[in-house]
Amino acid sequence: DSGVTQTPKHLITATGQRVTLRCSPRSGDLSVYWYQQSLDQGLQFLIQYYNGEERAKGNILERFSAQQFPDLHSELNLSSLELGDSALYFCASSAGGGQTYEQYFGPGTRLTVT
Amino acid sequence: KNQVEQSPQSLIILEGKNCTLQCNYTVSPFSNLRWYKQDTGRGPVSLTIMTFSENTKSNGRYTATLDADTKQSSLHITASQLSDSASYICVVIPHNTDKLIFGTGTRLQVFP
Repeated sequence: DSGVTQTPKHLITATGQRVTLRCSPRSGDLSVYWYQQSLDQGLQFLIQYYNGEERAKGNILERFSAQQFPDLHSELNLSSLELGDSALYFCASSAGGGQTYEQYFGPGTRLTVT
Repeated sequence: KNQVEQSPQSLIILEGKNCTLQCNYTVSPFSNLRWYKQDTGRGPVSLTIMTFSENTKSNGRYTATLDADTKQSSLHITASQLSDSASYICVVIPHNTDKLIFGTGTRLQVFP
């Protein structure tokens, strides 16, 4: 158990809908990262927050947005969902925002868009 | 072309045997290279983290090596166990960025 929690574990929704994925980092960790893992692709970095502020952006679509709240939990919002958005979404946390900190991954949310 | 390529794509070995997984990268300069183990449907777990100046790092039966000149890394698994069945992912972090660049992984299956 990494100490990172994600909810829900599974999510099934229809195209065009909007969903929110939630992540609680390990106690004391200030940085949260979001990743997408599709069936035929490796892990893709989406976005990073550090202590409430956006710190780095990866291949995140404009239909997706994220935020980190004062209690450090984070939410990833996915809107106008398409079939291709079906994937595993992982959250990871680290103590600091720099590249030397180890990232601890949560169990993931499996999103199925029908 | 992926900046981090792994080989083989999949590998089957018998329990107790050793194996070596390869990672070739073009990311340069980079700050560190990591190997992760990912069980099916679960989040990756860190095995080793090496800075660009390190040549080798061990974690139990897992030993990672790094050759910055040839831009290659390998993960050697000794005396494999059934629980080693998983995907192994090589990750490179470019210098001055927090973005992780993931390889597509090697799927290892260990049979009794």
